Amino acid sequence: DTGVSQNPRHKITKRGQNVTFRCDPISEHNRLYWYRQTLGQGPEFLTYFQNEAQLEKSRLLSDRFSAERPKGSFSTLEIQRTEQGDSAMYLCASSLAQNYGYTFGSGTRLTVV
Amino acid sequence: SQKIEQNSEALNIQEGKTATLTCNYTNYSPAYLQWYRQDPGRGPVFLLLIRENEKEKRKERLKVTFDTTLKQSLFHITASQPADSATYLCALYMDSSYKLIFGSGTRLLVRP
Repeated sequence: DTGVSQNPRHKITKRGQNVTFRCDPISEHNRLYWYRQTLGQGPEFLTYFQNEAQLEKSRLLSDRFSAERPKGSFSTLEIQRTEQGDSAMYLCASSLAQNYGYTFGSGTRLTVV
Repeated sequence: SQKIEQNSEALNIQEGKTATLTCNYTNYSPAYLQWYRQDPGRGPVFLLLIRENEKEKRKERLKVTFDTTLKQSLFHITASQPADSATYLCALYMDSSYKLIFGSGTRLLVRP
């Protein structure tokens, strides 16, 4: 297992376009998280899956954001009608259980122009 | 809501010295606290976890303390090396929630 994989690494898109990111967690991990990070800040929670169930979603997440984890394996995060304020690093993490550390991917850096 | 404070100013120390980073939180005590290292352009890397009933945890040159009375955790790197230069993030896990809440991190610079 090579850890948490995220694709693409970088994405530049025009304002108003839709984008989709993919995360492949460590196969034994049933917990998957999406975070967003801007320069100089810590990661900010977006959403959490346990297997295929989305159990928590940040109130900061607008209706333009949606995430899925079909069959409890990989996950996708879609942002519709992107805005410049969506520019950030989007991080995916997985963990084995509640009291374990998270394994993060290298992130997808989104730039909205 | 829970608030986490980490020193936003970079910590600049000489190689070989002990680096001490601080994480303060407000409101409720977390079930446990974690520390991560983050290098530029990369995702955070898990270092240590300490539970609310533990006072201290060690791993090689790393030591974490957790004082629920002071609502503070200290992260120590002994015999620091230039390769330890990175941003260190503190994160709290509340029993009432499924997620880790991260501080904004403290940048450590170790001079050779």
